[in-house]
Amino acid sequence: ETGVTQTPRHLVMGMTNKKSLKCEQHLGHNAMYWYKQSAKKPLELMFVYNFKEQTENNSVPSRFSPECPNSSHLFLHLHTLQPEDSALYLCASSQDWGERETQYFGPGTRLLVL
Amino acid sequence: QKEVEQNSGPLSVPEGAIASLNCTYSDRGSQSFFWYRQYSGKSPELIMFIYSNGDKEDGRFTAQLNKASQYVSLLIRDSQPSDSATYLCAVKSRNTGRRALTFGSGTRLQVQP
Repeated sequence: ETGVTQTPRHLVMGMTNKKSLKCEQHLGHNAMYWYKQSAKKPLELMFVYNFKEQTENNSVPSRFSPECPNSSHLFLHLHTLQPEDSALYLCASSQDWGERETQYFGPGTRLLVL
Repeated sequence: QKEVEQNSGPLSVPEGAIASLNCTYSDRGSQSFFWYRQYSGKSPELIMFIYSNGDKEDGRFTAQLNKASQYVSLLIRDSQPSDSATYLCAVKSRNTGRRALTFGSGTRLQVQP
């Protein structure tokens, strides 16, 4: 596998379920990100991890719980979600090259909360 | 005021024409600027980035940056129907503690055959 991979690609869950999204980057990058993309809204940053340490949490509700066990893997644990949480969840990674730092996205997980 | 503003479109151009996509940003301390292309149902794909004033060309794409006017644009020459997508402008802060990008809501481009 190359680049940034995400699993599952599609997920349907009820409001009482617990599920996890997985992201893996094969680019040797040191930062990873979770973004949420809802219909007709800009990409919203959720979390940033830099060398496995969380450096940003963009006021995300606690029903979303990130985990970064190492620089290559990132998880988003989901529990008691609401229908308005249905969206495309995108993982990205980057390497710190200053002004040249560029983020590369995974294919995303399309989440539907019933 | 939104941090990164783009006209939502759709911007419709005939095949072979030049498509011009525009983006303005509010943070004067912004350091780098990115254009991503996103096809419907897919994830954003990087087209190019620019961090110095002026033009940067890559194939049919040219990014233009004017930091004084807080304006960045993307020109697509010889537009093709396959260029039909949403184009996202993203901005990176000079704040070294903040590595995330701030995205605009995107401009939908339609290239008519």
